[in-house]
Amino acid sequence: EVQLVESGGGLVQPGGSLRLSCSASGFTFSIYWMSWVRQAPGKGLECVAHIQQPGSEKYYLDSVKGRFTISRDNAKNSVYLQMNSLRAEDTAVYYCAREGGGYDFWGQGTLVTVSS
Amino acid sequence: DVVMTQSPLSLPVTLGQPASISCRSSQSLVNGDGNTYLSWFRQRPGQSPRRLIYNVSNRDSGVPDRFSGSGSGTDFTLKISRVEAEDVGVYYCMQRSHWPHTFGGGTKVEIK
Repeated sequence: EVQLVESGGGLVQPGGSLRLSCSASGFTFSIYWMSWVRQAPGKGLECVAHIQQPGSEKYYLDSVKGRFTISRDNAKNSVYLQMNSLRAEDTAVYYCAREGGGYDFWGQGTLVTVSS
Repeated sequence: DVVMTQSPLSLPVTLGQPASISCRSSQSLVNGDGNTYLSWFRQRPGQSPRRLIYNVSNRDSGVPDRFSGSGSGTDFTLKISRVEAEDVGVYYCMQRSHWPHTFGGGTKVEIK
């Protein structure tokens, strides 16, 4: 059974940092592109970043470029999102999704709240 | 960025009646490999999105055959032949032919 489990969310002050983790199981993680998708409270869905299976190619939403970094550790079946210089508008539930399968599996999400 | 425009915003439907959601993209979703990467998702309150349809018209495993997807180029449609109570939620179209991958604004399906 495919499972994606996010962790690392929480309350952080503007300008602060957080590192989200997504632990994958039930499939051969190393061959899939992975993505982070966020959803602000009461709003729609937004793809933030994705990473190729070897980890050499990465793409970012313009509004997070230079502040967020996606990475992966295939030995640990995990993908990460390092978020720096956080802003109020980054407040959202962050989902990890298996993009290589066409966003066919999603985690339960982790809430990031940026507020003073 | 490719803008995905869904309509209607809200769709009240009578049980057993059909429902249809439109999704239009600001540019063609035909990828360089010849495929059209347009998917449909449903999100129930408090849950993660669940994919229903991929590559325009392919149903995911476990998705009832009352759901169907169609379209090409920039115009796409999700149809529910006979709405059931479990179909309520917000439906999103999404393209992954171009980065950034983008979603429509969502259509809330509710029972009248």
